[in-house]
Amino acid sequence: EDKVVQSPLSLVVHEGDTVTLNCSYEVTNFRSLLWYKQEKKAPTFLFMLTSSGIEKKSGRLSSILDKKELFSILNITATQTGDSAVYLCALNYNFNKFYFGSGTKLNVKP
Amino acid sequence: GAVVSQHPSRVICKSGTSVKIECRSLDFQATTMFWYRQFPKQSLMLMATSNEGSKATYEQGVEKDKFLINHASLTLSTLTVTSAHPEDSSFYICSARDRPGIGEKLFFGSGTQLSVL
Repeated sequence: EDKVVQSPLSLVVHEGDTVTLNCSYEVTNFRSLLWYKQEKKAPTFLFMLTSSGIEKKSGRLSSILDKKELFSILNITATQTGDSAVYLCALNYNFNKFYFGSGTKLNVKP
Repeated sequence: GAVVSQHPSRVICKSGTSVKIECRSLDFQATTMFWYRQFPKQSLMLMATSNEGSKATYEQGVEKDKFLINHASLTLSTLTVTSAHPEDSSFYICSARDRPGIGEKLFFGSGTQLSVL
């Protein structure tokens, strides 16, 4: 049973496009939701969300959490080829439990 | 951000041999480290959680005698794949978190691609 579901599984866009990646989950009582970017090896941290409705922003990337509807989105505006990666969503269920989604593979074409 | 070093990055071995993978936290003390396995085009699958000075907690379906984990210090955890077989070929990645109350983010190592011939 998948506790964290990401969609779409893969996405192909062109440079300059805006993309929205989705992460839905089943667990209602959790500590935080995290987004990671995985290029070739180690996932790198993007955002940690704990409060509903508060947008976190870093450059062209932004993310928000909706605890009522049980989902989070990651937005990337003005995409660049360097944004090509797998984006992972993870739920910190309790202190030592992190559930990862299957990821969204983003391919940004020139 | 915190740095987690994982070594080796790639290993090729013969079937039946054992392989040790190291995971070090370089600039913080990691009381808890996690070991994941990742198959192509799939997400991270948690194998086990190791706490410094105590036995690792394995996820269901993961053989503890096959995947030996040792977390002897606050900066080092090792995963040993014993008597490796081709089906053990995979990408193994560790992550670490620091002391409770300071942060809840996971910091990842760069991963180890294991190929068993």
